[in-house]
Amino acid sequence: GQQLNQSPQSMFIQEGEDVSMNCTSSSIFNTWLWYKQDPGEGPVLLIALYKAGELTSNGRLTAQFGITRKDSFLNISASIPSDVGIYFCAGSIGGTSYGKLTFGQGTILTVHP
Amino acid sequence: NAGVTQTPKFQVLKTGQSMTLQCAQDMNHNSMYWYRQDPGMGLRLIYYSASEGTTDKGEVPNGYNVSRLNKREFSLRLESAAPSQTSVYFCASSEAKSEQFFGPGTRLTVL
Repeated sequence: GQQLNQSPQSMFIQEGEDVSMNCTSSSIFNTWLWYKQDPGEGPVLLIALYKAGELTSNGRLTAQFGITRKDSFLNISASIPSDVGIYFCAGSIGGTSYGKLTFGQGTILTVHP
Repeated sequence: NAGVTQTPKFQVLKTGQSMTLQCAQDMNHNSMYWYRQDPGMGLRLIYYSASEGTTDKGEVPNGYNVSRLNKREFSLRLESAAPSQTSVYFCASSEAKSEQFFGPGTRLTVL
């Protein structure tokens, strides 16, 4: 089956630093999504990307849909303590698999005040 | 709107016991999904229902059954629980495109 490789697995940063994480796939996706999961909660959608090359922002978060359609990137600027959590990328190939998502393993983000 | 709700929040079972996890959404979404989340493995799709009246297997369906009771509700049943089914279970729903909205999860331990 399809697999997504998400890196890094974990990050320890100081408050105020910028953060970058990425997801790569061996196959093409037509939709990329980024989720954040707080401890004890379900994932919450941060950003959705639908076109190759698309760059989308949501506050301090910016995500890009790679032009090869095999990767995606998420950047967080000026991190704050509430950014702590697990960040997941997810991809969908669409078509008859419309709606079915493949998830990366997650990036655990720790922010030191 | 409550979004996606799941019951129970926590459950402990003995090996061989059965139980049903309940999920409901009030967003009028057509599609619903069940995932399991294990440490270091992200979320894996167990079953999904593209629309009312249809269900299909996902990546890890063995040991589970599902019922799409109506447009709002999608339940997951463990007929004979095994320790390997200890996990956190999430229900999700979606309408257009692939944006899925998740419930708060059920934490299941099988002894």
